Amino acid sequence: NAGVTQTPKFQVLKTGQSMTLQCAQDMNHNSMYWYRQDPGMGLRLIYYSASEGTTDKGEVPNGYNVSRLNKREFSLRLESAAPSQTSVYFCASSQGQYSNQPQHFGDGTRLSIL
Amino acid sequence: AQSVAQPEDQVNVAEGNPLTVKCTYSVSGNPYLFWYVQYPNRGLQFLLKYITGDNLVKGSYGFEAEFNKSQTSFHLKKPSALVSDSALYFCAVRDIVRGGTYKYIFGTGTRLKVLA
Repeated sequence: NAGVTQTPKFQVLKTGQSMTLQCAQDMNHNSMYWYRQDPGMGLRLIYYSASEGTTDKGEVPNGYNVSRLNKREFSLRLESAAPSQTSVYFCASSQGQYSNQPQHFGDGTRLSIL
Repeated sequence: AQSVAQPEDQVNVAEGNPLTVKCTYSVSGNPYLFWYVQYPNRGLQFLLKYITGDNLVKGSYGFEAEFNKSQTSFHLKKPSALVSDSALYFCAVRDIVRGGTYKYIFGTGTRLKVLA
């Protein structure tokens, strides 16, 4: 009964390094989302994937790329990390269209960029 | 564009007293509203939702929320607060984007502190 699993849980990077944050869900959900959480700003949507094979930009997509690898997995990539990307990143999933069920969240990846 | 506002950064309440965490919304069309709770170093957990129907919605852990269309509010309430209710609370509204996909807009969060 894992729900949404994110790896890694913590990461420290140097400016300019790249890395990929992984997310997997086992609820057979169609839609997946990446958010960042910063103090006083709530959750801001980076990218989302309505269904396998589609991705769309959210509110703050600059500096990020995503891949919907299959129905279960949705990864977030930082190509050249910047200190402004220091944040806590959350992946979420939901059933998607025509469903009133809520989103389910992972426990986050805490990312520091020096 | 859909939006939600949480006007209080922090709410303090004594254990055993009723609590209210405020949320107001701005939507075009019918609102679909949610409350989530976040404990330290954890992801958001769903508490309750309003889709349609009764204006008083009951959720997990004894929480409830009152939907008020005329005041465009969806305040979270609990009759008797527990110290363990201390956490960060988020209000969210669902938006429909192209192709019928849902995305969710979150408020900035309200930290609830229940004092023993």
